[in-house]
Amino acid sequence: DVKVTQSSRYLVKRTGEKVFLECVQDMDHENMFWYRQDPGLGLRLIYFSYDVKMKEKGDIPEGYSVSREKKERFSLILESASTNQTSMYLCASSLAASGRVKETQYFGPGTRLLVL
Amino acid sequence: QKEVEQDPGPLSVPEGAIVSLNCTYSNSAFQYFMWYRQYSRKGPELLMYTYSSGNKEDGRFTAQVDKSSKYISLFIRDSQPSDSATYLCAMKKETNAGKSTFGDGTTLTVKP
Repeated sequence: DVKVTQSSRYLVKRTGEKVFLECVQDMDHENMFWYRQDPGLGLRLIYFSYDVKMKEKGDIPEGYSVSREKKERFSLILESASTNQTSMYLCASSLAASGRVKETQYFGPGTRLLVL
Repeated sequence: QKEVEQDPGPLSVPEGAIVSLNCTYSNSAFQYFMWYRQYSRKGPELLMYTYSSGNKEDGRFTAQVDKSSKYISLFIRDSQPSDSATYLCAMKKETNAGKSTFGDGTTLTVKP
């Protein structure tokens, strides 16, 4: 069974704090993703990594950075947390596949972040 | 305009009903179409995966893709209370290196 774990289920931080969200997958997947999920706005991609030390901006990268030093670990960093970053953060991973091979994204349980 | 639009819901049906969940999209480059199910306080999990147009059936679930109309649907037959969840459609281009575009989700409640 693929397992994607996230460091915290719930987190409360203050405005201006630096926040680290960690994600670890145990299936040797090349691709890893960070999303945020908000009511009425759905799932939005923040950053994507397709290999160690490689990263690509998603749809809403502003205010975030990422780090992928090891294949199994993908970290999301909020440099200076703001109240509009209060959200549910979801990490996912997938095997790199080409053509019609099914490529499933496996999601972690999510981290609910509240920024006061 | 969003690339993927999903019927917003919420949807509430009695147990045993047939449920239809729908998404439309604007980009003809999408080739892979997925449905994810997300239970409350959990991450999404893949339910159905189809390539190009046509139907795919898996138990009580049928995924339908009509590329000419840029329209996809998920049908649930004999719905059960355990089907109560948020359903997200997702789509991927051939050359998108793993990135999917998600709909906003439809929350379904099946009442016993």
